[in-house]
Amino acid sequence: SQQGEEDPQALSIQEGENATMNCSYKTSINNLQWYRQNSGRGLVHLILIRSNEREKHSGRLRVTLDTSKKSSSLLITASRAADTASYFCATDGGRGSTLGRLYFGRGTQLTVWP
Amino acid sequence: GAGVSQSPRYKVAKRGQDVALRCDPISGHVSLFWYQQALGQGPEFLTYFQNEAQLDKSGLPSDRFFAERPEGSVSTLKIQRTQQEDSAVYLCASSEPGRGSYEQYFGPGTRLTVT
Repeated sequence: SQQGEEDPQALSIQEGENATMNCSYKTSINNLQWYRQNSGRGLVHLILIRSNEREKHSGRLRVTLDTSKKSSSLLITASRAADTASYFCATDGGRGSTLGRLYFGRGTQLTVWP
Repeated sequence: GAGVSQSPRYKVAKRGQDVALRCDPISGHVSLFWYQQALGQGPEFLTYFQNEAQLDKSGLPSDRFFAERPEGSVSTLKIQRTQQEDSAVYLCASSEPGRGSYEQYFGPGTRLTVT
């Protein structure tokens, strides 16, 4: 069964706007990752945030993590049409889970209109 | 360098046929994972190899699913007597644990359609 849940399931915005996606998970974690998947392709790693970190930046991406609420958010600033894709959060399942095994949510489908 | 490759990219099988899906991980990557992604869903874990050892196969949905990685590099996922519910995209990922992160590098996937 899937560990995380992304919200919203779908998001449609105009180029230049910011896009925010949320993820909630159920168990303890060592880290949380965000991946992007373009239609018909494999997943591409975007960013990893460890359980002792609260915020992380990478280019136009900003990720926050609140372990007390078991939630994370991904913010994409100044979105572009090329950002159109599905975005997934993935957790590692925490202590006792298979090393490296990822638990994915159902994803948020982001559409950025030019 | 080359990323993770998978073949075939698309496979159509009649119900009851056996299929074999291949994964070539990034050279030198110790860990290899197989995931199954149904339409509109996120990937679900199937199995995990560390070198040639299959350390976790708890995600394989039935005994019709079998995976191997005999020399610790290329891996094959075999599905016997395919059923319609096996239709999905099968993703392979590799990673290099021990570097302090668990970023996984995914292949493009094999889309399996069982008719």
